[in-house]
Amino acid sequence: GAVVSQHPSWVICKSGTSVKIECRSLDFQATTMFWYRQFPKQSLMLMATSNEGSKATYEQGVEKDKFLINHASLTLSTLTVTSAHPEDSSFYICSARDIVRNTEAFFGQGTRLTVV
Amino acid sequence: GESVGLHLPTLSVQEGDNSIINCAYSNSASDYFIWYKQESGKGPQFIIDIRSNMDKRQGQRVTVLLNKTVKHLSLQIAATQPGDSAVYFCAENENFNKFYFGSGTKLNVKP
Repeated sequence: GAVVSQHPSWVICKSGTSVKIECRSLDFQATTMFWYRQFPKQSLMLMATSNEGSKATYEQGVEKDKFLINHASLTLSTLTVTSAHPEDSSFYICSARDIVRNTEAFFGQGTRLTVV
Repeated sequence: GESVGLHLPTLSVQEGDNSIINCAYSNSASDYFIWYKQESGKGPQFIIDIRSNMDKRQGQRVTVLLNKTVKHLSLQIAATQPGDSAVYFCAENENFNKFYFGSGTKLNVKP
């Protein structure tokens, strides 16, 4: 199956700093990537939809200035958590659609962010 | 977003038994559904999908049933193995748009 790679897998940062998470589709082109957030023992909550070459669409309640999303190419989307606080600590997961198949969404392995 | 929920948060089964995981969804316009498996610390892994023009689809050891009348989805795992232990999520999708996930069911397989 198609591969989506996230980097880093785990990051610890100080409160007030910014953290960038990368999501890459390795063997297919993805016009659309999705960013999810998952708290322990909870489901995945969609944060935003990232479209290549255009602004991301954020879900209700998600601060766009807090979670900056850039999708500059068909294989890379980035999520930057700005001025991180301990409550931003979470598991962040991206997924990407194969534009050829346009159905199944492939998921990255996730990034665990801990803000101290 | 749409509400997708699960009836059972935790399911324990004996190795070799069949497992049934249920999911209710609220968007009657959803036309595509996927079951995902998530192991601890990892991203979701695709198991099986089904479109709204079908009511049943079978995989290798898994079967997904869709009842659009009551907006209910189920995942059946035959001959459950210890490696099946994980959290299972259903996700719904409308017109190739965003996927929304249910709350998840943790499956414990006892040897």
